[in-house]
Amino acid sequence: DVKVTQSSRYLVKRTGEKVFLECVQDMDHENMFWYRQDPGLGLRLIYFSYDVKMKEKGDIPEGYSVSREKKERFSLILESASTNQTSMYLCASRNRVNEQYFGPGTRLTVT
Amino acid sequence: AQKITQTQPGMFVQEKEAVTLDCTYDTSDQSYGLFWYKQPSSGEMIFLIYQGSYDEQNATEGRYSLNFQKARKSANLVISASQLGDSAMYFCAMREGRGSSNTGKLIFGQGTTLQVKP
Repeated sequence: DVKVTQSSRYLVKRTGEKVFLECVQDMDHENMFWYRQDPGLGLRLIYFSYDVKMKEKGDIPEGYSVSREKKERFSLILESASTNQTSMYLCASRNRVNEQYFGPGTRLTVT
Repeated sequence: AQKITQTQPGMFVQEKEAVTLDCTYDTSDQSYGLFWYKQPSSGEMIFLIYQGSYDEQNATEGRYSLNFQKARKSANLVISASQLGDSAMYFCAMREGRGSSNTGKLIFGQGTTLQVKP
């Protein structure tokens, strides 16, 4: 059974903190993605990676960075968390055909 | 620019009836893919169905079918015989890129919340 896991389901951080969101997939997928989901806006792509140490900006990369040191792990980093980064964060990985498999999501609150 | 539009923020349907969720898209690419995902209240995104732009027949997966009208740029999801467990948010998405440039990036619509009434 395919699996994408995220390190936390719920996270509360303070403004200015550095935040790490971890995502791990066990399907040997090359492509991995980070999205954020906000009401009325759907999912928006933050960053994606098509190989180890390779990354590309998505539609809303400002305030975020990513790290992919190993194929199975893709980390999203908020360098200095702000209240407007309060959101649901979803990680996904993709097989060679088309389907993206999503993790359970991390609901981040920045106070 | 590529765009997905879902104009129905919320829908109600009676159990056992069919329901259509609307999705229109905008792209200048000839080759693209269209997806529907279901997101229950628990938060996980569940893949439902896929339609390629060159597929001549509408995609079907069990009770889900995709009504693909290429000229109208619409990709509506039809759920037959609705069940209480179908209550969720539904997202339409389009794969960006084609051939070797296909990175698998998805562009999502705003979502439609479906409630199935007993």
